[in-house]
Amino acid sequence: EADIYQTPRYLVIGTGKKITLECSQTMGHDKMYWYQQDPGMELHLIHYSYGVNSTEKGDLSSESTVSRIRTEHFPLTLESARPSHTSQYLCASSVDRPNYGYTFGSGTRLTVV
Amino acid sequence: GDSVTQMEGPVTLSEEAFLTINCTYTATGYPSLFWYVQYPGEGLQLLLKATKADDKGSNKGFEATYRKETTSFHLEKGSVQVSDSAVYFCALTQVQTGANNLFFGTGTRLTVIP
Repeated sequence: EADIYQTPRYLVIGTGKKITLECSQTMGHDKMYWYQQDPGMELHLIHYSYGVNSTEKGDLSSESTVSRIRTEHFPLTLESARPSHTSQYLCASSVDRPNYGYTFGSGTRLTVV
Repeated sequence: GDSVTQMEGPVTLSEEAFLTINCTYTATGYPSLFWYVQYPGEGLQLLLKATKADDKGSNKGFEATYRKETTSFHLEKGSVQVSDSAVYFCALTQVQTGANNLFFGTGTRLTVIP
């Protein structure tokens, strides 16, 4: 039973459209993360947040932006989608405790045509 | 910096075969080690973890032992099933000031055939 929810699960959208991928968690976790997963399976951290009003860029440069206005909500926005943005996007959350690990959502598979 | 190196796949096994997926790590200090599994079309799920040397993590018939002397955390299962077909990720974390970021390996795809 998932405690972190991503919507939509699948999205096909035209080039130039603005999109927002939703991620919400009900666990009260302070830390949240966005990963982009390429077809070769590798995970790339693109954004993370340590709490409300905290956002940082990850290891992989991304044209997307994020916001963290509420603890439970960490949406990702693309202002103008391009085919190169086609990917799987995974959201995760964690507590600030050693050894806890991450809880992942089911992902959003985005296709830009 | 901290990193994880995983055995490259894909790995294809027959049902009931023995599975080993190798994972080695580079880290300063004393990391915690994890195995995550990703079933088709899903996100990652925590499979098992170990937080100190010589700890053994286990779940669903899978095991991995934290070996500090060889900096390894190999995943094993004695008898795989078709339902184990998935992508497996090794990961480590070190709690540093303000951080708790997981470093993932590149993933190993396992296919089990009947």
